[in-house]
Amino acid sequence: EAGVTQFPSHSVIEKGQTVTLRCDPISGHDNLYWYRRVMGKEIKFLLHFVKESKQDESGMPNNRFLAERTGGTYSTLKVQPAELEDSGVYFCASSPPGHWGTEAFFGQGTRLTVV
Amino acid sequence: GENVEQHPSTLSVQEGDSAVIKCTYSDSASNYFPWYKQELGKGPQLIIDIRSNVGEKKDQRIAVTLNKTAKHFSLHITETQPEDSAVYFCAASIIGGSYIPTFGRGTSLIVHP
Repeated sequence: EAGVTQFPSHSVIEKGQTVTLRCDPISGHDNLYWYRRVMGKEIKFLLHFVKESKQDESGMPNNRFLAERTGGTYSTLKVQPAELEDSGVYFCASSPPGHWGTEAFFGQGTRLTVV
Repeated sequence: GENVEQHPSTLSVQEGDSAVIKCTYSDSASNYFPWYKQELGKGPQLIIDIRSNVGEKKDQRIAVTLNKTAKHFSLHITETQPEDSAVYFCAASIIGGSYIPTFGRGTSLIVHP
């Protein structure tokens, strides 16, 4: 069974440009989460989808970030326009219906560098 | 909201030694505490977890202890091996409530052969 897959693995963009990150969750996982880790800091929650609906987006830093999950399958996270402080590793995770537990899995992450 | 503190940020040990990573949490309602291992180029992977009704859990060379009164929990790795080198994250969440976990800052464990 395929795990959580994220594209691209790395992205280097200039300040002011737009970047779109993609996450393909495990098939059948209704819950999809986006997290970010800035160098040396905690893995910080950004938002949570249940199917196609945003359940909790309290962690989104500002309106330059837009997440979508059309049809309740894959999700995209767009940063527009990117700023230097947006650099970090963006993780996606998915889990079956219910609570975060042993069935929650992370993708390998997308390392975003804004220069 | 929940706040999770993790120490140390870096831990360097010799192969065969034990390693201990400690975390504290702030929300007494938290009742689920997973630990994740992140190897280079990979995402965090669950290695062990503990619920608040249990004081200790062990799985081969790794064990986790929980002190609810003091609101701290620890990861213990015995007989460390070079392949244990990774970044370890602790987390706290509430099963049945707002179950999205809050993570610590991570500990970079280096095991020297």
